[in-house]
Amino acid sequence: ETGVTQSPTHLIKTRGQQVTLRCSSQSGHNTVSWYQQALGQGPQFIFQYYREEENGRGNFPPRFSGLQFPNYSSELNVNALELDDSALYLCASSFGGTNEKLFFGSGTQLSVL
Amino acid sequence: AQSVAQPEDQVNVAEGNPLTVKCTYSVSGNPYLFWYVQYPNRGLQFLLKYITGDNLVKGSYGFEAEFNKSQTSFHLKKPSALVSDSALYFCAVRSLNSGNTPLVFGKGTRLSVIA
Repeated sequence: ETGVTQSPTHLIKTRGQQVTLRCSSQSGHNTVSWYQQALGQGPQFIFQYYREEENGRGNFPPRFSGLQFPNYSSELNVNALELDDSALYLCASSFGGTNEKLFFGSGTQLSVL
Repeated sequence: AQSVAQPEDQVNVAEGNPLTVKCTYSVSGNPYLFWYVQYPNRGLQFLLKYITGDNLVKGSYGFEAEFNKSQTSFHLKKPSALVSDSALYFCAVRSLNSGNTPLVFGKGTRLSVIA
């Protein structure tokens, strides 16, 4: 088990709503990355935060946004939910703003109806 | 652009037999390669990585992977499979020469070890 925790574990929303997902990074880690894993696919990089600043972003629209707090925990916010946003959202922590060895949480399963 | 191909959606192997999960990659410059495993209702767990050096990399739970530059492959192997190895396996790559680019994951290969 990693020390990365995500909440909630499951969430059901309707199209057009907004959602906030939360992640607590492993102790000693100052970098958090978020990934979207659609059914039957590998994780797709959304963005990364290092020392409270976004320092990398994948091919996701601006309605996907995030925050990192001084304790290095993080939030992923998605506005104007679409049906295709239904997926497992994974948070991963690491150290030093890098993508070296990532420690993943168990994810939040988001269903958009 | 970076990409990873895992040509097999599913691999079935009998317990005690050797297993191979295939991965090929495309990247600009030198690759930084990873294998992760995902058990049901769990996040991904790191198995092993290759940066440079010996082409055979040893990782967790008795897994190893062989880097082949000419074939742009990084196949995951284990000499003797266990039922508990049944899981979803992901290969990932990023370029060593492009700063802190994010990992690109393959679609995954489901390994089923049959007793």
